[in-house]
Amino acid sequence: DVKVTQSSRYLVKRTGEKVFLECVQDMDHENMFWYRQDPGLGLRLIYFSYDVKMKEKGDIPEGYSVSREKKERFSLILESASTNQTSMYLCASSFGTDRLNTEAFFGQGTRLTVV
Amino acid sequence: GESVGLHLPTLSVQEGDNSIINCAYSNSASDYFIWYKQESGKGPQFIIDIRSNMDKRQGQRVTVLLNKTVKHLSLQIAATQPGDSAVYFCAENRGGYNKLIFGAGTRLAVHP
Repeated sequence: DVKVTQSSRYLVKRTGEKVFLECVQDMDHENMFWYRQDPGLGLRLIYFSYDVKMKEKGDIPEGYSVSREKKERFSLILESASTNQTSMYLCASSFGTDRLNTEAFFGQGTRLTVV
Repeated sequence: GESVGLHLPTLSVQEGDNSIINCAYSNSASDYFIWYKQESGKGPQFIIDIRSNMDKRQGQRVTVLLNKTVKHLSLQIAATQPGDSAVYFCAENRGGYNKLIFGAGTRLAVHP
C-alpha cells in the first residue's frame, strides 16, 4: 500500500516563527503536493513538485516556500507564521504524466495552530 | 474574489437509499477526474476516477458519470451505508504534471 507520512498530526507555533512541515512517501512517486484545507473552502493547492529540486506555485503560495532535495521527501516552510495560516495541511503524492493511474495519495494531515 | 463558504453542502439520505453527489468543474481542458472520500480526522482517500474520453465508470457500489458538455460530474453510491458518511470531493486534473484542483466538497450524512 502507498504510504504518505506527515511528520506531525498537531502543531502549535507562535506568530513569527519559522515552521517546517515534513512529508515522506514510499512509492517512488514523481509528484508531491501541499494543500491546505479550511472549512467550506475544500483543498487549495499551495505548491507542488514534479521532480527533485523542481517546484511550481499552486493557487495560494504567498507566505509559503517548499523544498524537495530528495524524491521521497517534500517540505513545506512557513517563513514567518501568521494566525491566518492556522489550518489543516495535507501532503499528497502521485505518479508523473507518463503513467496511466495518476490519482494522488494523501497523508493524514497536520493541524497547525498559530497563536 | 473568492466567496467564503463556512458551511458545506450536505446531502442527507436514509440507509439503503441511493446517493447522488454532484460537482461542476471549470476547465474544459481538464482530462482526468477523481472522487475522494474524507472521513473525520483522516486525509482524503481515492474512490474512483474517470478520464475525459469516457462518460461513465463503475466500481463497487459507486458509479461516476461525466458530462463534458455542461462540465458536470456526479458520484452515485448504491445502497448507502452508515460507513459512507463522510465529505466527498471531486478533483480535476488541469493538465501538466497531474496537478489536481479540488472542489469545496459535499457532506454525506447517512441516517438509519
